[in-house]
Amino acid sequence: QSALTQPASVSGSPGQSITISCTGTSSDVGGYDYVSWYQQHPGKAPKVMIYDVSNRPSGVSNRFSGSKSGNTASLTISGLLAEDEADYYCASYTRSSTLVFGGGTKLTVL
Amino acid sequence: QLQLQESGPGLVKPSETLSLTCTVSGGSISDSNYYWGWIRQPPGRGLEWIGSIFYSGRTFYNPSLRSRLTISVDTSKNHFSLKLSSVTAADTAVYYCARLGPYFRSIDLWGQGTLVTVSS
Repeated sequence: QSALTQPASVSGSPGQSITISCTGTSSDVGGYDYVSWYQQHPGKAPKVMIYDVSNRPSGVSNRFSGSKSGNTASLTISGLLAEDEADYYCASYTRSSTLVFGGGTKLTVL
Repeated sequence: QLQLQESGPGLVKPSETLSLTCTVSGGSISDSNYYWGWIRQPPGRGLEWIGSIFYSGRTFYNPSLRSRLTISVDTSKNHFSLKLSSVTAADTAVYYCARLGPYFRSIDLWGQGTLVTVSS
């Protein structure tokens, strides 16, 4: 299975909004509403920020939102804070009953 | 509060078998609402799903690792295990155990991760 495609890096200034894309195929992202997003700070385990394309777990800031169109899912972070600087990974359930991750995106808050 | 803890050797020789166990505490591994799984991350690189298991023993494997991989569960000990055979330096990574929802829709609980280095 091929990894989902994410931009290697994105950046934004505090208070701005950024969007990270995650492109797959009709066999994964496009075929199921089981896309999730993870935030990972250096040396830490990942943390789920979005699941089922657009749902936020309890305790996750509403500055984080998710969406999907066709084979591409997106994570938007509004009102950027310094603490949002981290690596972000998307993941999707696949037609083969497996899980595939994106390559990861490094978010820099300028 | 449910917690996951990985355990196993931090150093494995090339061509040998990497073995890790994840102990679930504060809850039951037989909870039918969840799957259990392994994810790894080579140094400086991204996340890779290795495979998952249901308490019944049903397994789901990454196709790229399937030929070398065995994931098993022991409900009496409340733990699940990973065995990866014929390892090479490319298998050097931080290995995380985790809890996953149905359809792997969310990985809501992670172990702290354990670094396994493959080297002679």
